Amino acid sequence: AQKVTQAQTEISVVEKEDVTLDCVYETRDTTYYLFWYKQPPSGELVFLIRRNSFDEQNEISGRYSWNFQKSTSSFNFTITASQVVDSAVYFCALSAAQGGSEKLVFGKGMKLTVNP
Amino acid sequence: KAGVTQTPRYLIKTRGQQVTLSCSPISGHRSVSWYQQTPGQGLQFLFEYFSETQRNKGNFPGRFSGRQFSNSRSEMNVSTLELGDSALYLCASSSPLVGTDTQYFGPGTRLTVL
Repeated sequence: AQKVTQAQTEISVVEKEDVTLDCVYETRDTTYYLFWYKQPPSGELVFLIRRNSFDEQNEISGRYSWNFQKSTSSFNFTITASQVVDSAVYFCALSAAQGGSEKLVFGKGMKLTVNP
Repeated sequence: KAGVTQTPRYLIKTRGQQVTLSCSPISGHRSVSWYQQTPGQGLQFLFEYFSETQRNKGNFPGRFSGRQFSNSRSEMNVSTLELGDSALYLCASSSPLVGTDTQYFGPGTRLTVL
């Protein structure tokens, strides 16, 4: 079975601080995909980043960066120089390539509040 | 490209009634998935449709059903509503060619059951 754990439930930071969101996953599949989504108060899930299990290269995209480590089954996400608009609930999600079927398994989410 | 659209955005129903929610995917996307989000259970997968066929199903009772039309638009139906069905229902579309593609979500339909 697949499982995603986001141990942090809520974080509050002051604007311009860096913040890292932790995600640990479980899967027996050898090919899988990891995602981070953001859910602002409006409710819509906004796609942020995606990583394939066979590509452990970590990247930076603007203020976002991520650290994917298969050895520890972790897929952490960092926001650099946080802004008030980053306030939202962030979800880590996992999908396995099972015959092309699209099914995301989500963590419980982590609420980030960025204070001015 | 227009994003995923869902109608209606808000619904209020009473126990025992049934409800139909609609989802229009991003143009060209053939896979549509549905998720239920509640404060207690979080985001849970309901089912996925691809080319008018249900390809995967989550662990929900038979009161929850769906279908997909030839233009990839999808509907989900909940019959005999229960108080616990109050939730945000999210629809996502993707264009899987090989393996798993990224799912893009609509704004959701917030269902309240009284």
